[in-house]
Amino acid sequence: DTAVSQTPKYLVTQMGNDKSIKCEQNLGHDTMYWYKQDSKKFLKIMFSYNNKELIINETVPNRFSPKSPDKAHLNLHINSLELGDSAVYFCASSQGSGAVYEQYFGPGTRLTVT
Amino acid sequence: AQSVTQLGSHVSVSEGALVLLRCNYSSSVPPYLFWYVQYPNQGLQLLLKYTTGATLVKGINGFEAEFKKSETSFHLTKPSAHMSDAAEYFCAVSDPSSASKIIFGSGTRLSIRP
Repeated sequence: DTAVSQTPKYLVTQMGNDKSIKCEQNLGHDTMYWYKQDSKKFLKIMFSYNNKELIINETVPNRFSPKSPDKAHLNLHINSLELGDSAVYFCASSQGSGAVYEQYFGPGTRLTVT
Repeated sequence: AQSVTQLGSHVSVSEGALVLLRCNYSSSVPPYLFWYVQYPNQGLQLLLKYTTGATLVKGINGFEAEFKKSETSFHLTKPSAHMSDAAEYFCAVSDPSSASKIIFGSGTRLSIRP
């Protein structure tokens, strides 16, 4: 049973396109996250939702828009894709919104913008 | 502001040798500290965490880390390396009062020589 799943696993697209990445967790967690990992493996948080409410919104271009239709899902929509958006995007979830809670990561979505 | 510094982007040890991955942090408040492991083409998995209490923390797969406040360090060790330990390791810090925001280090790639 997959705890945190992401689709698609790979995404290759051209500059200027709009794309979405979907994330689902079956752990019953209240909090979900999106992280970006660049080519140097540097991992940075982008957004976090708790019970469908946005609680962390880092300095991210407004071309990136997260949407949480329910506690189990957190999708990431990206408009007008740029070369610099190429990265691996990880979804994660945790039982609560406090820093003490372990975060469970999905397998990642490798986005390549050409 | 919090930050994490991992000394050595790549560490190579022989199978059966001691593993030591170094992590120093900067935080204005007593932090929560974490080590995550990332196997190739996978998401991150929590190895261990320090929140409060005992400063020597034991994790999965035989790893442990010691919180040393005077040295602002949280080094990861394992007495005897196994081939399956080859992976990327991330140290991370969090402010206990924050809403789940974790700051990751730049990662250390661990290679195991036969």
